[in-house]
Amino acid sequence: DAKTTQPTSMDCAEGRAANLPCNHSTISGNEYVYWYRQIHSQGPQYIIHGLKNNETNEMASLIITEDRKSSTLILPHATLRDTAVYYCIVRGANNNAGNMLTFGGGTRLMVKP
Amino acid sequence: DTGVSQDPRHKITKRGQNVTFRCDPISEHNRLYWYRQTLGQGPEFLTYFQNEAQLEKSRLLSDRFSAERPKGSFSTLEIQRTEQGDSAMYLCASSINTATGELFFGEGSRLTVL
Repeated sequence: DAKTTQPTSMDCAEGRAANLPCNHSTISGNEYVYWYRQIHSQGPQYIIHGLKNNETNEMASLIITEDRKSSTLILPHATLRDTAVYYCIVRGANNNAGNMLTFGGGTRLMVKP
Repeated sequence: DTGVSQDPRHKITKRGQNVTFRCDPISEHNRLYWYRQTLGQGPEFLTYFQNEAQLEKSRLLSDRFSAERPKGSFSTLEIQRTEQGDSAMYLCASSINTATGELFFGEGSRLTVL
């Protein structure tokens, strides 16, 4: 699975959009981009995933560049409850270990009032 | 609550003791994963089951660690002769049997080895 690079930390004002970048320049054609988040003292929570098209769900939007070498997770109206560590993960559809994910360090997002 | 449940949530033990954690996955999920997470780090993969078969094990899973999923439902992770370095959060996750199915994580079992 391709490696990802994320900023260590980011701040966002409550009510504003939070844009979390992720670089995955070595991604291959059959690898998906997944985003999870982990709120303090809880297990990671799935947010969204995509292959090459932009995706949106009730939690967030995922924008993947045309060359697929980077992506941005957008939380349109951040709340204090969105304070968490956000993980960007690249994974192929065919994996020896099922749907196993390899987590990096993630981005610690702090939403401030 | 029909999510992934883990027990116990917290365990404090003395070095050298054995500990066992239990994970109950979402009922229709046949894939189950164990991860370990230390403070300030992302979760690290330990092992994976499809039904009752343990199909993948990380190098992190030393001989003191054993995981089972005897009937393809709940799973246990046992650590024998615990060491202080085993102190961590042990996370369990489950997923359905599709190529892109997301993982659903439990709240984790926090182990402190004194």
